[in-house]
Amino acid sequence: AQSVTQPDIHITVSEGASLELRCNYSYGATPYLFWYVQSPGQGLQLLLKYFSGDTLVQGIKGFEAEFKRSQSSFNLRKPSVHWSDAAEYFCAADRGSTLGRLYFGRGTQLTVWP
Amino acid sequence: DAMVIQNPRYQVTQFGKPVTLSCSQTLNHNVMYWYQQKSSQAPKLLFHYYDKDFNNEADTPDNFQSRRPNTSFCFLDIRSPGLGDAAMYLCATSYKRREQETQYFGPGTRLLVL
Repeated sequence: AQSVTQPDIHITVSEGASLELRCNYSYGATPYLFWYVQSPGQGLQLLLKYFSGDTLVQGIKGFEAEFKRSQSSFNLRKPSVHWSDAAEYFCAADRGSTLGRLYFGRGTQLTVWP
Repeated sequence: DAMVIQNPRYQVTQFGKPVTLSCSQTLNHNVMYWYQQKSSQAPKLLFHYYDKDFNNEADTPDNFQSRRPNTSFCFLDIRSPGLGDAAMYLCATSYKRREQETQYFGPGTRLLVL
């Protein structure tokens, strides 16, 4: 089945530490890929997206993600985490059909220790 | 600032009492989406409008309806809410340009069913 997988349900890091959130997809062709962040009780905010071209994508709030076709992955990274980064992070994929349907991973909850 | 607005942010209704959630956008996007997000789960697409064309997901219950009277507004109607319909409801918009599109989300409406 076509899907988006976020293997880590919950990650805890110390403030100032580096962060990597994993995302894998299983589609026949490369989908369009997105990372969204959701703070408690809030909607989803777009962090970054990948359509084509440079496989290292820069986003807002100091986040970046790298698309690796060979590993079917689109992992999100940040070199130094801030306490305000504590939130839930969703990876999503769009197969690029005319339907425009986003397929979400189940999310990774990030906790940041002071 | 251009944005996606959802009203109300919190809605309490009684079991079986019809409720309407509202979404408006100032982005002039031609596609509007409604997602349901239950606690600790990924958002689930209910349906979307591409201009005036309504597209229902196959597994969306008949209890859920939508209206889009103009480009800016879209409504989610729940005809007879059950306890299982308590969730966060997210509206998103996008501008369909070839196949690449990015969805922008509103802050969500938290629905409580008593």
